Amino acid sequence: GQQLNQSPQSMFIQEGEDVSMNCTSSSIFNTWLWYKQDPGEGPVLLIALYKAGELTSNGRLTAQFGITRKDSFLNISASIPSDVGIYFCAGPVISGGSNYKLTFGKGTLLTVNP
Amino acid sequence: GAVVSQHPSWVICKSGTSVKIECRSLDFQATTMFWYRQFPKQSLMLMATSNEGSKATYEQGVEKDKFLINHASLTLSTLTVTSAHPEDSSFYICSGSGGSYEQYFGPGTRLTVT
Repeated sequence: GQQLNQSPQSMFIQEGEDVSMNCTSSSIFNTWLWYKQDPGEGPVLLIALYKAGELTSNGRLTAQFGITRKDSFLNISASIPSDVGIYFCAGPVISGGSNYKLTFGKGTLLTVNP
Repeated sequence: GAVVSQHPSWVICKSGTSVKIECRSLDFQATTMFWYRQFPKQSLMLMATSNEGSKATYEQGVEKDKFLINHASLTLSTLTVTSAHPEDSSFYICSGSGGSYEQYFGPGTRLTVT
């Protein structure tokens, strides 16, 4: 099945630094989603991307849909302590009929040192 | 917008009993709802997909008689863990989709079976 390779697995950065993480796949996706999950909580949708080459921002977050449709990047600028959490990329895979399911990357654990 | 609630947020039950978890979409109609299970430091594992008014579609390896899913309305889905055992202890998360690939997640339910 389609799998997403997310990297890095973890990051330790200083407050104020910029962060970049990415997801790659051997298969084409027509949508990329980026989520953040805080400990003990459900994931929160950060950015949704629908077109190859699309660059979308949400505050200090910027995500890009790779031109090959096989990768996506998430950048966080000027990190702050509340950026701490696990970031997941996800893409939809048709699972039969009109149903689909999301395949997730394994996540990037971000730690921000104040 | 796109808020999903879950109840309860945590539950402790004795082995052999059943537990019901509710998932509600508060400000949108969730034509499709998904149930996930998440183990510590791991990504989300899809258990089943349910469309309103239809039987749920379970992922391979998930026992449909043990994890009963009902999606009776466009705003409510329930997951019942029947005859729970300690190995069923986990973090259960639901999500809802209003017709696009974007899924909006609930805050999760921590189940502990003693």
